[in-house]
Amino acid sequence: GAVVSQHPSWVICKSGTSVKIECRSLDFQATTMFWYRQFPKQSLMLMATSNEGSKATYEQGVEKDKFLINHASLTLSTLTVTSAHPEDSSFYICSARPGTGFPYTYFGPGTRLTVT
Amino acid sequence: QQQVKQSPQSLIVQKGGISIINCAYENTAFDYFPWYQQFPGKGPALLIAIRPDVSEKKEGRFTISFNKSAKQFSLHIMDSQPGDSATYFCAASKPGTYKYIFGTGTRLKVLA
Repeated sequence: GAVVSQHPSWVICKSGTSVKIECRSLDFQATTMFWYRQFPKQSLMLMATSNEGSKATYEQGVEKDKFLINHASLTLSTLTVTSAHPEDSSFYICSARPGTGFPYTYFGPGTRLTVT
Repeated sequence: QQQVKQSPQSLIVQKGGISIINCAYENTAFDYFPWYQQFPGKGPALLIAIRPDVSEKKEGRFTISFNKSAKQFSLHIMDSQPGDSATYFCAASKPGTYKYIFGTGTRLKVLA
């Protein structure tokens, strides 16, 4: 089956610093990737949609200057949390869609971010 | 209109029993309804999905029942096993967007 990886799986950073999270589709090309955020014992909330080679589309209420998304290739998307604060601590999950004709997306294993 | 309501919030079932989780939506534009299983600290994994033109879909022990007129769909887990203990999310998406609106999740515990 299709595999999506994320790196790192967990990261601790100090308040005010930036952290980058990578999302890779390992065995397929992903025309579209999605970034979700999940607080403990809560549901997944879509943050943004990224298409390879174009600017990401952010959901209402998501600060695009704080959560920088780059989809540089068909297998890699990155999420950079800039000037992180403790309230940004969360579980960040990406998903990738294989291409046209596929209604479903594959989710990565998630990245646990803790800002101290 | 964008919400997907999921119930119950938590569920305890005996081994071998049937687990039933329900979801309801308002937006009739939704055309794809997947169910995901998530273990603690892991990403969600697709279990089964359905489109509105089908009333039921079965894959192994998992069945989706879909009621288009009532705008409701449910997941049935037959012969529930302790290994099924996880959080289950329903979701919905609109045509061409592939952006999922997730339900609030159901924490299932199957007792051995």
